[in-house]
Amino acid sequence: SAVISQKPSRDICQRGTSLTIQCQVDSQVTMMFWYRQQPGQSLTLIATANQGSEATYESGFVIDKFPISRPNLTFSTLTVSNMSPEDSSIYLCSGRGPDTQYFGPGTRLTVL
Amino acid sequence: DAKTTQPPSMDCAEGRAANLPCNHSTISGNEYVYWYRQIHSQGPQYIIHGLKNNETNEMASLIITEDRKSSTLILPHATLRDTAVYYCIVRVAGTGNQFYFGTGTSLTVIP
Repeated sequence: SAVISQKPSRDICQRGTSLTIQCQVDSQVTMMFWYRQQPGQSLTLIATANQGSEATYESGFVIDKFPISRPNLTFSTLTVSNMSPEDSSIYLCSGRGPDTQYFGPGTRLTVL
Repeated sequence: DAKTTQPPSMDCAEGRAANLPCNHSTISGNEYVYWYRQIHSQGPQYIIHGLKNNETNEMASLIITEDRKSSTLILPHATLRDTAVYYCIVRVAGTGNQFYFGTGTSLTVIP
């Protein structure tokens, strides 16, 4: 199974600032995704990170707020821009392997 | 993707089998049933998946009804470490088909 790591594991940020979360997988995956999990809620898909091209965003999520990069098969970043307290969530990176989909440990973001 | 319905919470005594149900009455013929679990403060962990036959691995068994409209995840001997939120997801296999999570079942294993 793929091992997925994220950095940072947690952060506390001030409103109006931006945070970039990094995701690294240890083997080549066909697709990478970013999810958000708000406190006490289930996971919500933000976008599909496409290698070398613009990410594909789900309804309710826009590139200006959540710019995503995927420069190669095993690395992706998610930026949470112009943060507000409503952005306080766990952000999870996910990679599609040959049999199923794997998830990173998440980045716990608190916006003050 | 078809939607799933799960009970919001369940309890199970330690050492007993935990049977977690999932309804997916609108599942289509090429959609698989996947189960994940999320232990507090961790990313979701893959458990098992199946199409129409029952499946078993080192973690659990998956029983899918003949009409495929429901399934049951069985943890044969629940331990305290099995306390988690369990998600049942149906999706078409192959690339390009994302996992959409429902609300899941919060399983509490009681000593």
